[in-house]
Amino acid sequence: DTGVSQDPRHKITKRGQNVTFRCDPISEHNRLYWYRQTLGQGPEFLTYFQNEAQLEKSRLLSDRFSAERPKGSFSTLEIQRTEQGDSAMYLCASSFGQGRRGYTFGSGTRLTVV
Amino acid sequence: QQQVKQSPQSLIVQKGGISIINCAYENTAFDYFPWYQQFPGKGPALLIAIRPDVSEKKEGRFTISFNKSAKQFSLHIMDSQPGDSATYFCAASAAGGTSYGKLTFGQGTILTVHP
Repeated sequence: DTGVSQDPRHKITKRGQNVTFRCDPISEHNRLYWYRQTLGQGPEFLTYFQNEAQLEKSRLLSDRFSAERPKGSFSTLEIQRTEQGDSAMYLCASSFGQGRRGYTFGSGTRLTVV
Repeated sequence: QQQVKQSPQSLIVQKGGISIINCAYENTAFDYFPWYQQFPGKGPALLIAIRPDVSEKKEGRFTISFNKSAKQFSLHIMDSQPGDSATYFCAASAAGGTSYGKLTFGQGTILTVHP
């Protein structure tokens, strides 16, 4: 396992469509994080999981966003009824232990809503 | 209380020069301060990190200076190289509770090193 994998790398969708992204963390990592990064800004925290439990959600995560991590392995982030303001890079990261050890980001999924 | 402010927005240095990027924070609960490097199309990669019980940490050409009383920390890149051209982010996280491991990032600094 060489790192955090995200799929797809790029997604173009029409406004109003639903999209789903996948993140495969480093296998022994128990924590998984989702961040959103818009152009020219630093990543902003969205939500995180410890094993399969979703422990915190940012206010940025509107009710159109849902994240899951079944069985504590890979995670999916779904955006329903996409809006142009959802266009961003969605980054996944994973870590182990209490949360800071081995903190590794994936290369992200670039979403463009047209 | 969660904000981390980073400056400058962009920085141009000559090869061999020193690059300095500064960050300031407000939340006194922050106890871990990493710096990340990001190339276009890639996720952020950890460069170096510091905890507030030390005032300086050096790894190769990269040094973090930390001023706890001023709530400021900075990244120094010595002997800057064209390959260092990237976007740099400072970040911070707080100990304890559900915030442990959640990173708050600065706005980023685009570094360009001219050959």
